[in-house]
Amino acid sequence: GAVVSQHPSWVICKSGTSVKIECRSLDFQATTMFWYRQFPKQSLMLMATSNEGSKATYEQGVEKDKFLINHASLTLSTLTVTSAHPEDSSFYICSASPGTGGKNIQYFGAGTRLSVL
Amino acid sequence: LAKTTQPISMDSYEGQEVNITCSHNNIATNDYITWYQQFPSQGPRFIIQGYKTKVTNEVASLFIPADRKSSTLSLPRVSLSDTAVYYCLVGDRNNFNKFYFGSGTKLNVKP
Repeated sequence: GAVVSQHPSWVICKSGTSVKIECRSLDFQATTMFWYRQFPKQSLMLMATSNEGSKATYEQGVEKDKFLINHASLTLSTLTVTSAHPEDSSFYICSASPGTGGKNIQYFGAGTRLSVL
Repeated sequence: LAKTTQPISMDSYEGQEVNITCSHNNIATNDYITWYQQFPSQGPRFIIQGYKTKVTNEVASLFIPADRKSSTLSLPRVSLSDTAVYYCLVGDRNNFNKFYFGSGTKLNVKP
């Protein structure tokens, strides 16, 4: 099946620093990738839609200058949390869809646990 | 986007068949129904997708009535490892439509 790799799986950083999370589709090309955020015991919250070669589309309430998304190739999207603060601590998950044969099945990465001290 | 409603939690015992129902009264003509499973601290895993009637794969079955306003995920003979949160989503299969996750159903399988 389609595999999405997310790295790192866990990161701890100091307040004020920036953290980059990578999302790669390993065996398919993904024109569109998605980034989610999940707090403990809550559902996934869509943050943004990442489009290859163009600007990301952010959901209402998500700061685009805080969460920088780059989708430079059909297999790689990155999320950079800039000037991270403790309230940015969360579980971040990406997803991608092969988009072939009319199937819009999203395949998810394993997630990244971000802890900001 | 169609909103989905699921029970917050369900309990079951090992070996039982579990049916989780999802309501999606405002589903659009082009929308498909997709179910995901999520374990703690992991990304969701695709289980099954369907449009109407019944779909079956090696993991589960999905039952969709003619009006498509609801769907039921059926897990045969659950085990302890099936304890997870199950999400029902609807979206246009032919577009890269965004998924908005609802609260999901926390399935607790007991020995």
